[in-house]
Amino acid sequence: AQSVTQLDSHVSVSEGTPVLLRCNYSSSYSPSLFWYVQHPNKGLQLLLKYTSAATLVKGINGFEAEFKKSETSFHLTKPSAHMSDAAEYFCVVSDPGTYKYIFGTGTRLKVLA
Amino acid sequence: DAEITQSPRHKITETGRQVTLACHQTWNHNNMFWYRQDLGHGLRLIHYSYGVQDTNKGEVSDGYSVSRSNTEDLPLTLESAASSQTSVYFCASSDSNQPQHFGDGTRLSIL
Repeated sequence: AQSVTQLDSHVSVSEGTPVLLRCNYSSSYSPSLFWYVQHPNKGLQLLLKYTSAATLVKGINGFEAEFKKSETSFHLTKPSAHMSDAAEYFCVVSDPGTYKYIFGTGTRLKVLA
Repeated sequence: DAEITQSPRHKITETGRQVTLACHQTWNHNNMFWYRQDLGHGLRLIHYSYGVQDTNKGEVSDGYSVSRSNTEDLPLTLESAASSQTSVYFCASSDSNQPQHFGDGTRLSIL
């Protein structure tokens, strides 16, 4: 069965410092993986996706993620945090057999001035 | 531009009442999903549909129903609202195994 674990429920960084949000997955198939961001009172917006092409995936707003099969990880990074990055982030794995999506429980990112 | 819209954005109702939340997408996606979002639980799947006349139960489907009479709409009905169903509800659509597109959510309070 597919599963996703986001290792940190809260992360705080200072503005201008790097961001690392950690995600581990479990999948019986070659997975598709996604990162979404959710700002307060808004829906989820796609940041980036991995679908078995390049292992380093670049997304919007300077975010990127690296797929590491040996570590079953898909961590999200950004070199320099901006105040506008403060939000909740979700790691998601899709099941290619059922087209269902498995969500992590989210990581709330706080950016300090 | 294609979009997915939910209505209403906020609703307050009483226990025992029937409530219907609307979801309309113009992406022409076959797959549509309803989730609820609660603190500490992330998003949990309520119902989903792979096309017209197709509906399936998710992990938290008790007390909810959906119908799919066309490609664009998947309304979610709470047959007899309960306080435990107070939540934020999100609708999403996608092509198979592609990223989902989400609506902005409906905040439902049941008193």
